Amino acid sequence: EVQLVESGGDLVQPGGSLRLSCAATGFSLRSFWMSWVRQAPGKGLEWVANTNRDGSDNNYVDSVRGRFTISRDNVNNLLYLQMDSLRVEDTAVYYCVSSGYQGNWHYWGQGTLVTVSS
Amino acid sequence: AMQMTQSPSSLSASVGDRVTITCRASRDIGSAVGWFQQKPGNAPKNLIFSASNLQSGVPSRFSGGGSGTDFTLTISSLQPEDFATYFCLQDANYPRSFGPGTKVEIK
Repeated sequence: EVQLVESGGDLVQPGGSLRLSCAATGFSLRSFWMSWVRQAPGKGLEWVANTNRDGSDNNYVDSVRGRFTISRDNVNNLLYLQMDSLRVEDTAVYYCVSSGYQGNWHYWGQGTLVTVSS
Repeated sequence: AMQMTQSPSSLSASVGDRVTITCRASRDIGSAVGWFQQKPGNAPKNLIFSASNLQSGVPSRFSGGGSGTDFTLTISSLQPEDFATYFCLQDANYPRSFGPGTKVEIK
């Protein structure tokens, strides 16, 4: 069975750091571009970052560029999101998703909640 | 940045109704559009990719259309399990962006 499982969400103070992980089972992560998408409480979906199949091409939404880093470990089938200098507005459920061609974003994790608050 | 507008923001419909949701891109994005369904507390589910291709396992009552700047998601006969929020995604330009969503409610 194909599955993506995120972990690492937590309550953190503004200015703090977290690293989210996404473990893939049932398929090889190296076959896909991968993205992180977030959803603030009661709000819509926001694309955060993506990475190509070998991790050499990474892209970010402006609001996180320079603070967040996406990376991947294709040997162990893991995707990461290092989140530094966290802000209250980063509070959201974070999803990892396989981001295939032209919106073929088929596999989603269940999400992990990041809460930034003092 | 590319903007995706979506209409309506919400609609009320009955089981068996035909429902159409529209997304408009601020510039030509070819067919690089996906559609997603999300139910409360769950991750989004991919329904359509490349504007009109049905994702595997998705019922055939869902269909997508359009190209360039105007795109549609149609549910031909609304079923009880279809009451949810629907989002479009443009996958052509950075930053990738979703429409604000359409909530489909029971009339």
